[in-house]
Amino acid sequence: DTAVSQTPKYLVTQMGNDKSIKCEQNLGHDTMYWYKQDSKKFLKIMFSYNNKELIINETVPNRFSPKSPDKAHLNLHINSLELGDSAVYFCASSQNHGTLDTGELFFGEGSRLTVL
Amino acid sequence: DQQVKQNSPSLSVQEGRISILNCDYTNSMFDYFLWYKKYPAEGPTFLISISSIKDKNEDGRFTVFLNKSAKHLSLHIVPSQPGDSAVYFCAASAGNTGKLIFGQGTTLQVKP
Repeated sequence: DTAVSQTPKYLVTQMGNDKSIKCEQNLGHDTMYWYKQDSKKFLKIMFSYNNKELIINETVPNRFSPKSPDKAHLNLHINSLELGDSAVYFCASSQNHGTLDTGELFFGEGSRLTVL
Repeated sequence: DQQVKQNSPSLSVQEGRISILNCDYTNSMFDYFLWYKKYPAEGPTFLISISSIKDKNEDGRFTVFLNKSAKHLSLHIVPSQPGDSAVYFCAASAGNTGKLIFGQGTTLQVKP
């Protein structure tokens, strides 16, 4: 039973399209995140939500909009896709926001987005 | 401006020998450091961590060393096993920001 699951795992689409990636965690965690792994392989935080409330927004273009219907779900919507959006997007969760010293992030398997 | 860097993109060691993965950081406010391990087509998984009040933390075959004056940490794996072959990410956080800053990863290959 996967702790953090995200769908789809692979997504190929054309420039200008709108797409969504869904994420669900069954760990009972309060905080969820979206990270982007770019072509240089760095994992960079995009957003975090704590109990459905946006906590971190790392200067991501407003074409990216996270939506958290409940604390177990954090979906990522991307409008007007651009070539530079091609990356692997990882969803993650943690027990509490800001208390990473008690544990760590639990990541999903990643969603590889390719924009043509 | 990358605050966490892993300058060796890859490392190859023989089974049974020591693997040493290095990580440098620039932000002196970082007070908690973690290592994650990632297999292909999987998400990163937590491996080991260290608080800035310590200089060493050991968990089985894995030991993390922190040198605050040099802003450097390393992960030692002894003895290395083929199953350790993966990408290793170093990460750091500052205070209660809830934000982990990752390095770009080092690919470790352990040869039988």
